[in-house]
Parts: sequence; structure tokens; C-alpha cells
Amino acid sequence: QLVLTQSPSASASLGDSVKLTCTLSSGLRSYAIAWHQYQEERGPRFLLKLNSDGSHIKGDGIPDRFSGFSSGAERYLTISSLQSEDEADYYCQTWGTDINWVFGGGTKLTVL
Amino acid sequence: EALLVESGGGWVQPGGSLRLSCGASGFTFDDHAMHWVRQAPGKGLEWVSSISWNSRDKDYADSVKGRFIISRDNAKNSLYLQVNSLKTEDTALYYCAKGGERGGYYYGHFDSWGQGALVTVSS
Repeated sequence: QLVLTQSPSASASLGDSVKLTCTLSSGLRSYAIAWHQYQEERGPRFLLKLNSDGSHIKGDGIPDRFSGFSSGAERYLTISSLQSEDEADYYCQTWGTDINWVFGGGTKLTVL
Repeated sequence: EALLVESGGGWVQPGGSLRLSCGASGFTFDDHAMHWVRQAPGKGLEWVSSISWNSRDKDYADSVKGRFIISRDNAKNSLYLQVNSLKTEDTALYYCAKGGERGGYYYGHFDSWGQGALVTVSS
């Protein structure tokens, strides 16, 4: 069983909202995760750290359009008022003494 | 704001070695764990190695264990990755990342990234 599971792709229209999902494997439901954005021209960028209770901290300069919430083993990243520059790959990450550091497979977001 | 700058990438034949460096500024370097992550062509992000603030703890992905060595020099605000016995599958962009927790915490998220150093392993 994968530690973190993400859908390979997602799409939404300019100006709309999109919700990306990262699912923790059983036994890791209480783990925090981080969301990172990856664009080929700029590399990875930390978006936010999301705890199991839904509390989160954002990276420097991350717009309010990006937010996160949790439900059970699911960790979500919501992007509202989609802009063309949001088109990117989005990775979730978790960590722990039993797993070290792990990235999900990534979700490729297309803005239509 | 944290700034991380990698260097030392290049082309190397299978079996060869390189030393990657990451210069850090804009934060208290010796207050944070540091990490290496790579992305192979067409693949996702892969955690490679981590080191605690005082170098006491070091961890490696199974794919690189025994071949890569992570180190840091807090006096120089620098992180290193010695990559040995390189294989074609080690071809990737190698990113340096800063641990997001302060005060000696080892495990945690990554909150700053460098721009990457390209390592190409080919005959």
C-alpha cells in the first residue's frame, strides 16, 4: 500500500475552484502533510503544511486562494479563482520516524 | 527569506562521482535539518537524503544507500551530497531543501527549495 496516494491528473476552468486530494495509508491517518507546487521553470515551491485537525501554515507569499483541510485520512488542497499560472504539478509530502520522508506521485493540474 | 543555491552538477559516466553543494542564506542554517530531493526525467519528486542540524542524524533512500553521502558545514552555511558509483537511473535534477521546523527538530516538512542541479549519468 502506498504511503500517499494522489490522482495523476485534474483539470478546472480559469476562475473556478479545484480540490486536489492526497490520501494517507491506513495507520497514518493522524499524520500531517505538506503541499508543494512544481513548475518546470521555477522548480518546487512550498505551499502549506496541513495537520490532521485541518490547521495549516502557509509558505511565504502564498496567496489566500490556496487553502487546505483534512478529513480522516484525506488531505485536501483547494485552489480558488484559478489562474493560468496555477497550472503545475502538485505533490503532497509526509514524514515520520517509521517512514522517513515520502512524496505522493503528484497531480498534474490543467487550467482550461 | 531563505535562499538555497545548488552547484556541482554535470555529466558523468556510469560508475563516476560528483559532489553537489548547496549554499544557504537568509535563515539560521544550523537551526534546521536539511534535505536532498531529486526528480528524474518524466518522474515525480523522490526524497534522497536528510541530515540533522548537528549532523548526528543522517538518512538515505534505499535507492542511494551505500553510494551517496550527505554532510554539512554549519560554519560555511553549506550542505553537500557526495554521489558515488553513479548509475544511469541517478540522472535527475537534484534539489536542496530546508527543513521547516526550528530548534533541532529533524522530522518535518520542507519549506524552501533551491533551483536544482542537473546530474546526467551517461556513457
